[in-house]
Amino acid sequence: DAGITQSPRYKITETGRQVTLMCHQTWSHSYMFWYRQDLGHGLRLIYYSAAADITDKGEVPDGYVVSRSKTENFPLTLESATRSQTSVYFCASSVVRLWDMGETQYFGPGTRLLVL
Amino acid sequence: DQQVKQNSPSLSVQEGRISILNCDYTNSMFDYFLWYKKYPAEGPTFLISISSIKDKNEDGRFTVFLNKSAKHLSLHIVPSQPGDSAVYFCAVTNFGNEKLTFGTGTRLTIIP
Repeated sequence: DAGITQSPRYKITETGRQVTLMCHQTWSHSYMFWYRQDLGHGLRLIYYSAAADITDKGEVPDGYVVSRSKTENFPLTLESATRSQTSVYFCASSVVRLWDMGETQYFGPGTRLLVL
Repeated sequence: DQQVKQNSPSLSVQEGRISILNCDYTNSMFDYFLWYKKYPAEGPTFLISISSIKDKNEDGRFTVFLNKSAKHLSLHIVPSQPGDSAVYFCAVTNFGNEKLTFGTGTRLTIIP
């Protein structure tokens, strides 16, 4: 099915472990994003990518690493998980437009991560 | 430093009445504004948007108002329905910028 998927949907890990969250989209959108959602903070941008092999930091990048070797995949790695990284993580994608009114980013269903 | 604020974390409205959700932003350079809706265990989905050249945009039961001088955005839902119960996020950006800055969200509960 076309769309944007995330895996796993739920993950429990321990402090200090490395964790990778996967994101896959079938639209060939050039832009992809990673957000975390926390109470009182809304959605905060972690990293984004404008195209394969082009990534940039967002608002809260510390402790995270991303890569984008293929247009359709944008994995997010927590190199050494901390309790403060317990959160819900959303991946999103969008297509470059000259500009028009309407929808911009399409979101995946989220990954709920608990770091013990 | 929060660039986009939704000062009401929650709102309860009777079914059939009007729901008004508010959003304030700090940077007058933003020129494109969006509302997203989020159900539990799902990703946010786009609802409605407005550019800074307009002060109102309607789509069915949903209307977004923009007051540029006050740097204030609001979403009106009329009439409110039980399926409207969700968390609503406002988001801001600039034309040509694919990055969005989101507010903290407002949880709307429609009471049957």
